[in-house]
Amino acid sequence: DTGVSQNPRHKITKRGQNVTFRCDPISEHNRLYWYRQTLGQGPEFLTYFQNEAQLEKSRLLSDRFSAERPKGSFSTLEIQRTEQGDSAMYLCASSLGDGAYQETQYFGPGTRLLVL
Amino acid sequence: GENVEQHPSTLSVQEGDSAVIKCTYSDSASNYFPWYKQELGKGPQLIIDIRSNVGEKKDQRIAVTLNKTAKHFSLHITETQPEDSAVYFCAAPSKAGRRALTFGSGTRLQVQP
Repeated sequence: DTGVSQNPRHKITKRGQNVTFRCDPISEHNRLYWYRQTLGQGPEFLTYFQNEAQLEKSRLLSDRFSAERPKGSFSTLEIQRTEQGDSAMYLCASSLGDGAYQETQYFGPGTRLLVL
Repeated sequence: GENVEQHPSTLSVQEGDSAVIKCTYSDSASNYFPWYKQELGKGPQLIIDIRSNVGEKKDQRIAVTLNKTAKHFSLHITETQPEDSAVYFCAAPSKAGRRALTFGSGTRLQVQP
């Protein structure tokens, strides 16, 4: 399968714990995005990387959230001191683009987080 | 930033009928409008998109129309089938020149066999 992959698919944690999610984009895609989706809502943008540079960040990305893409390939999203309000589906998407043209974002299956 | 509104929130049709989902956007500079289909437990999957230099685009049973003056775009599914049952999301760039997408709140389509 050459699509976007995410691990783990499900994560249950206790409030206050740290969690880390991984996203592997489609091979050679230079752009990578993180979105959050709560039940019954559309995805909400969190952050975006072009290669290893983090170029856009949403106000939703509080200080407890950090994302990295150290080698311009896979990315990790870490949430520190989780809160119950962090419970959501965390979606990763990737795209291939080299200019101002908006290209298709391909989504992974998501990581569902439940904070108890 | 962009504001995307989507209607209806739920839609039930008989197999073989057509389904239409409508979205409005606020930023007149927006120039890219994708539609995604999301099945239970899966990530959104692009089904069709349209750019602001065209008014309509078709792909088999699916079509999207864009009215830039009125700032709205619509998804049309003809000859619906039970496997079309899913949640559909429209989206637009959060801000001109930015990569982030702003999504509508979704439409749950149920195709009754």
